[in-house]
Amino acid sequence: SAVISQKPSRDICQRGTSLTIQCQVDSQVTMMFWYRQQPGQSLTLIATANQGSEATYESGFVIDKFPISRPNLTFSTLTVSNMSPEDSSIYLCSVEEQTETEAFFGQGTRLTVV
Amino acid sequence: GENVEQHPSTLSVQEGDSAVIKCTYSDSASNYFPWYKQELGKGPQLIIDIRSNVGEKKDQRIAVTLNKTAKHFSLHITETQPEDSAVYFCAATPGGSYIPTFGRGTSLIVHP
Repeated sequence: SAVISQKPSRDICQRGTSLTIQCQVDSQVTMMFWYRQQPGQSLTLIATANQGSEATYESGFVIDKFPISRPNLTFSTLTVSNMSPEDSSIYLCSVEEQTETEAFFGQGTRLTVV
Repeated sequence: GENVEQHPSTLSVQEGDSAVIKCTYSDSASNYFPWYKQELGKGPQLIIDIRSNVGEKKDQRIAVTLNKTAKHFSLHITETQPEDSAVYFCAATPGGSYIPTFGRGTSLIVHP
């Protein structure tokens, strides 16, 4: 199993600013993902964080708004840029070691944009 | 792509009762069906999973059933306890994929 440390756990930000969320895993993992969970909603995949190359974004999410870095197999960051109140959500880092297996999640970052 | 429907969105039971949450999926290529529990302020955590070659799986008070023909699967919790109160998500993952599609979640409330 993988243990994921995600920081910060919560933040309140002014609109127009940016926030970078960090995800640190205790072991090397093949796949890392970033999800958004809006209040009372399901988990929506933002992108797959690829080690050493550009992230793969899902429909509706773009690199300019959600730049992602993954410098190695244990660490990734997600930046929420030029924030608006609609970006208020929980952002979750997730990792998987093989296909069709358990996904491990960080504790999430609860973001409020005012 | 895959589409997962989950019902009910909210489920309120008395301690000791059973709780059942149902999900349907659309992609016949899905082979892996995990269930996650999310407590307040935490990330989702796997509680049980089932693969397409199995019809039922049980782990103490929790069981999952799968009907591949009808494309539906269910989570059964018996003898519910207040600590079972949480949001539960079902998911379906196509064969060869890392990426699950999640249902919208069920908020389970167990009253003491």
